[in-house]
Amino acid sequence: QQPVQSPQAVILREGEDAVINCSSSKALYSVHWYRQKHGEAPIFLMILLKGGEQKGHDKISASFNEKKQQSSLYLTASQLSYSGTYFCGTEADYKLSFGAGTTVTVRA
Amino acid sequence: EAQVTQNPRYLITVTGKKLTVTCSQNMNHEYMSWYRQDPGLGLRQIYYSMNVEVTDKGDVPEGYKVSRKEKRNFPLILESPSPNQTSLYFCASSLGPDSYEQYFGPGTRLTVT
Repeated sequence: QQPVQSPQAVILREGEDAVINCSSSKALYSVHWYRQKHGEAPIFLMILLKGGEQKGHDKISASFNEKKQQSSLYLTASQLSYSGTYFCGTEADYKLSFGAGTTVTVRA
Repeated sequence: EAQVTQNPRYLITVTGKKLTVTCSQNMNHEYMSWYRQDPGLGLRQIYYSMNVEVTDKGDVPEGYKVSRKEKRNFPLILESPSPNQTSLYFCASSLGPDSYEQYFGPGTRLTVT
């Protein structure tokens, strides 16, 4: 079952902050975050593991609330290069499910 | 260079004409999977493979087949394509499905008329 992402889209000016949320109806061991530019493959940002371990991107942060089965991605002091569609992914029984995506547009 | 390759990148075909999209990775990854991407629906997993000769259905397997005879290759087969399989397809590989980064191929844009 796909995780649910919100919002569907967000428009920012350079330097502004945004939060993207991801929630699942299943117990989570890990949450993945990827960014995709138009016409390109998704690129790994980070993985958050149960227990607090985090692997990935230095300039983008995220949190993982295991009890609520939710994760949030924080885009701080956004740059033009942050534009793209962000996907969260969750794993259950060796299957990976991704959310429908959040489109982020950063304007100068 | 570590990479996942897919071929072809673009394909236009007709209903019912069997086709294969190849996927190959050079990172010795055990886990490989296929996704389709449609507007508003995100990435949906079609099939995955935990290792050679071990494959299983993802969320949208109908109309697709896969095989994993070698660790590096994971082809996607459409025996009788239909217009509703028009989509953007991605292959991905990793050390595992849960706590490891997924490496995605460049994508294959398929149009079935």
